[in-house]
Amino acid sequence: EVQLVQSGAEVKQPGESLRISCEGSEYRFTNYWIAWVRQMPGKGLEWMGIIYPDDSETRYSPAFQGQVTISVDKSISTAYLQWSSLTASDTAMYYCARRGYTFGEVYWYFDLWGRGTLVTVSS
Amino acid sequence: QSALTQPASVSGSPGQSITISCTGTSSDVGGFNFVSWYQQHPGKAPKLMIYDVSYRPSGVSDRFSGSKSGNTASLTISGLQTEDEADYYCSSYARSSTLWLFGGGTKLTVL
Repeated sequence: EVQLVQSGAEVKQPGESLRISCEGSEYRFTNYWIAWVRQMPGKGLEWMGIIYPDDSETRYSPAFQGQVTISVDKSISTAYLQWSSLTASDTAMYYCARRGYTFGEVYWYFDLWGRGTLVTVSS
Repeated sequence: QSALTQPASVSGSPGQSITISCTGTSSDVGGFNFVSWYQQHPGKAPKLMIYDVSYRPSGVSDRFSGSKSGNTASLTISGLQTEDEADYYCSSYARSSTLWLFGGGTKLTVL
């Protein structure tokens, strides 16, 4: 089954570092950009950034630039989202999502989503 | 850049039709045919329902349709069913450093 499998829920303390993952399966991982989307409790979706697995080209939303790092290991079809120092305001559900692509053309929508990773930051 | 503007809530009865609006600017919704719509049930991941303003992915019911006029896109759901009750988000490409914008979401209640 074509899917994005995200790592499990995390509970962290303020100031700790964290890396969560998103593994693509049953499709050519390197052909599709992978985005990260934040959803704070009871709130809407926010695009954080996106990475192209084949060459690691990365774009960040200005709101998240410098706050998080997006990376990829194409050898294991996995994208990552990491924080060096978490704060309580990072408490949210984080989704990875695949950008639409077909026959060499990329699209401006997300056609496949992971189930989300809940990150809770609390002292 | 601000999020796209959606009504916080809409409601309808089974069998009726509803429309959810999504208002942006000429730098996003109005300037490009790259509007998409996502359905999110409580505790679930978003699901693509409409892309490029009016196209439905395979497997999405034809009760869902999309359109655009000027800086406002719309999602129409006809023949409302109880399983349509969910949050709906619009999204658009944005000609800015924020490549993707999302709307604030609309909660659909099927009475």
